[in-house]
Amino acid sequence: EVQLQESGPGLVKPSQSLSLTCSVTGYSITSNYWGWIRKFPGNKMEWMGYISYSGSTSYNPSLKSRISITRDTSKNQFFLQLNSVTTEDTATYYCARYTIATPMDAWGQGASVTVSS
Amino acid sequence: DIQMTQSPASLSASLGETVSIECLASEDIYNNLAWYQQKPGKSPQLLIYYASSLQDGVPSRFSGSGSGTQYSLKINSLESEDAATYFCLQDSEYPWTFGGGTKLELK
Repeated sequence: EVQLQESGPGLVKPSQSLSLTCSVTGYSITSNYWGWIRKFPGNKMEWMGYISYSGSTSYNPSLKSRISITRDTSKNQFFLQLNSVTTEDTATYYCARYTIATPMDAWGQGASVTVSS
Repeated sequence: DIQMTQSPASLSASLGETVSIECLASEDIYNNLAWYQQKPGKSPQLLIYYASSLQDGVPSRFSGSGSGTQYSLKINSLESEDAATYFCLQDSEYPWTFGGGTKLELK
């Protein structure tokens, strides 16, 4: 059974970078697609982007050049980096798997990140 | 981006009742519509994908329908465990976009 777990700082200062790790067990990240989604206070959700089985990436244009998703296949982990954060980036960040047949069918527990000085 | 308008924002129903939640897309999404359930403090669970395909392990009282720009999730014979927030997701075109969510409360 695939399991995903986010980890990283829960507090980030404005203008700094937010970095999160998604550790995957029970399934190789060299198969399918692996993405990041966030849920803002008030429940709005935003798809942020993904990294594919081959290492290619796709990002939400709303995040422009601030976002980067990378991976370490030897550790079966993938990563989110979001630069130049503001208080509007305060959210719960989820990592998730999706396949060619189904959208996100396995999710991590979520990591709450607050951007505040 | 494709806009997803979900209604109602909240819903109160009794055990055993049937409820429906709607999502309207700003353009044709060709049945590329999924429904999720999320309980407080938990991660979202996929219920329905491709508008009407039931995800493995999901009770058959959940069903999805629709086409074009209009889609709905129906929950038959409500049970106490169905109290949750439900939201739709269009995976037709990047960036994927979500509906605003429906909070279902059981009376």
